[in-house]
Amino acid sequence: DIQMTQSPSSVSASVGDRVTITCRASQDISSWLAWYQQKPGKAPKLLIYAASSLQSGVPSRFSGSASGTDFTLTIRSLQPEDFATYYCQQAKSFPLTFGGGTKVEIK
Amino acid sequence: EVQLVESGGGLVQPGGSLRLSCAASNFPFSSYALSWVRQAPGKGLEWVSFISGSGAGTYYADSVKGRFTISRDNSKNTLYLQMNSLRAEDTALYYCAKGPGITGATELDYWGQGTLVTVSS
Repeated sequence: DIQMTQSPSSVSASVGDRVTITCRASQDISSWLAWYQQKPGKAPKLLIYAASSLQSGVPSRFSGSASGTDFTLTIRSLQPEDFATYYCQQAKSFPLTFGGGTKVEIK
Repeated sequence: EVQLVESGGGLVQPGGSLRLSCAASNFPFSSYALSWVRQAPGKGLEWVSFISGSGAGTYYADSVKGRFTISRDNSKNTLYLQMNSLRAEDTALYYCAKGPGITGATELDYWGQGTLVTVSS
């Protein structure tokens, strides 16, 4: 199984800050990586697929990048509605696996 | 707008069974693969099972293999998860989620709101 290691597990940030979340795959997954946002009591929402493609309707302040087996989600200028938990997921093979999550909290 | 509405959750004793349903609307149901993903209280996301658009292809997490069965009725636009031999560690919110294509490992582009399964005596 492909393991996804996400860091940090939590980050405190202020509105307007740039936030970076990292996910590392245990083996090559090419660009088969997605990012989700989950707010308390809500279902996850797809933000980015294929490592760097923005899902329709997602603000452009969200971006994704890849370097080998390392993947990054960047929020360019944090907005109040961005405080949430973020998960990565590999989409290379079954079983699908998720990272442990990163909670973005208000500083 | 794509809609996925889960139902069938509830309280069940260890060793018991439950069948979850996911009613889909506003997209050509048989053209898209679906998955079940669960989230234990206060924990992260865990993929459970996948079924292709035709229903011919299925996959399971090792944690549920042999106990859970995924199926779909394309005439009713409904996805199912039959859960047998339930354990306390199966307690979670179960989400139905749609893939962007008819089969294959992919991201999940739409999710339902979930149905809660509690396994306890």
